[in-house]
Amino acid sequence: GAVVSQHPSRVICKSGTSVKIECRSLDFQATTMFWYRQFPKQSLMLMATSNEGSKATYEQGVEKDKFLINHASLTLSTLTVTSAHPEDSSFYICSASPVVSGPETQYFGPGTRLLVL
Amino acid sequence: GDSVTQMEGPVTLSEEAFLTINCTYTATGYPSLFWYVQYPGEGLQLLLKATKADDKGSNKGFEATYRKETTSFHLEKGSVQVSDSAVYFCALSSPYNAGNMLTFGGGTRLMVKP
Repeated sequence: GAVVSQHPSRVICKSGTSVKIECRSLDFQATTMFWYRQFPKQSLMLMATSNEGSKATYEQGVEKDKFLINHASLTLSTLTVTSAHPEDSSFYICSASPVVSGPETQYFGPGTRLLVL
Repeated sequence: GDSVTQMEGPVTLSEEAFLTINCTYTATGYPSLFWYVQYPGEGLQLLLKATKADDKGSNKGFEATYRKETTSFHLEKGSVQVSDSAVYFCALSSPYNAGNMLTFGGGTRLMVKP
């Protein structure tokens, strides 16, 4: 089946630094990639939707200048958490969709756990 | 807005026990309903889905029936195995949402003991 990887799987950083998380579709081209955030014991919350070559669409309440998303190729999307603070500590999950179709075609990465000290 | 509520875990069962994980939803119109499973260290995988009322999704011995009247999509399995230990997410997609947006429940951790 289709595989999506995320790197790093876990990152610890100091407050005020920026962290970049990569999401790659390994064996297919992803027209659309999604970034989710998950707090402990809570739902996955969609942060933004990105289409290759265009600006990401952010969900209400998500700061686009804080969470920079780049989808420069059909196999790679990056999420950069700028000037990270402890409240940004969370589990970030990406998914990739090979075609514009139903959500069952979203393939999920294993997630990246971010801890900001 | 759309929302999904599922029972809190962890759910701990012995091998071969019967499993039910409750899921209810709130949505406009007629959403599609999904169950995803996340095994340790892996990404979410689609387990089963149903796209209209009274549809039954099934896979790997798991079943869930789309109940419009009770706005529910409970996950069941007649005899669980240790390998079923994972986190299960109920989700919906509404035709009123743009693109492939999914709304997830909070997840339920299942632990099956030998």
